[in-house]
Amino acid sequence: SQKIEQNSEALNIQEGKTATLTCNYTNYSPAYLQWYRQDPGRGPVFLLLIRENEKEKRKERLKVTFDTTLKQSLFHITASQPADSATYLCALEGTGNQFYFGTGTSLTVIP
Amino acid sequence: GAVVSQHPSWVICKSGTSVKIECRSLDFQATTMFWYRQFPKQSLMLMATSNEGSKATYEQGVEKDKFLINHASLTLSTLTVTSAHPEDSSFYICSAPPGGSIYEQYFGPGTRLTVT
Repeated sequence: SQKIEQNSEALNIQEGKTATLTCNYTNYSPAYLQWYRQDPGRGPVFLLLIRENEKEKRKERLKVTFDTTLKQSLFHITASQPADSATYLCALEGTGNQFYFGTGTSLTVIP
Repeated sequence: GAVVSQHPSWVICKSGTSVKIECRSLDFQATTMFWYRQFPKQSLMLMATSNEGSKATYEQGVEKDKFLINHASLTLSTLTVTSAHPEDSSFYICSAPPGGSIYEQYFGPGTRLTVT
């Protein structure tokens, strides 16, 4: 069956450092992969989409990579700030135009 | 950006009753909307795809007779939890892709359902 796993339940880093989150998937060949941010008690907010033929995508302090051979996406936040503290979710395209979400990684940026 | 609203934001109901949750796209039309359920400290689980003017498509393991979905217009989808039980207590979130694109999902703020 299809599985989407994200690294460790919680990640704590010092302000100013780069946070790196991992999304691994099995039994999938998605054409698209998305990253979302979710704050407690709120709906997710779309951050970035990367296509299978794109190796890397950037948006301000965010960078996403997509390695279809390794079946892995890395999500980087550079110069992290306490306001970046949230849960980050990766989502992969299914066969019927829907997206399936990973387990999520809770990020805490320590001032 | 595109805005999706949900109503109510939270609801408490008694076991055995039914609860309706609305999902509206406020500034765009959505032929497709998605309904998710999220338990505490867990990720979003896709329940069903709501299609305007046709039947919803349910994910495996989701009871379509228990979770009734109606997508009567291009801006409104409703999820009705019928004969609710305490195990149905969860955070229900809808999403919609603006402009018919699947490439970005705009999520509603979620509805917290507590069944007593």
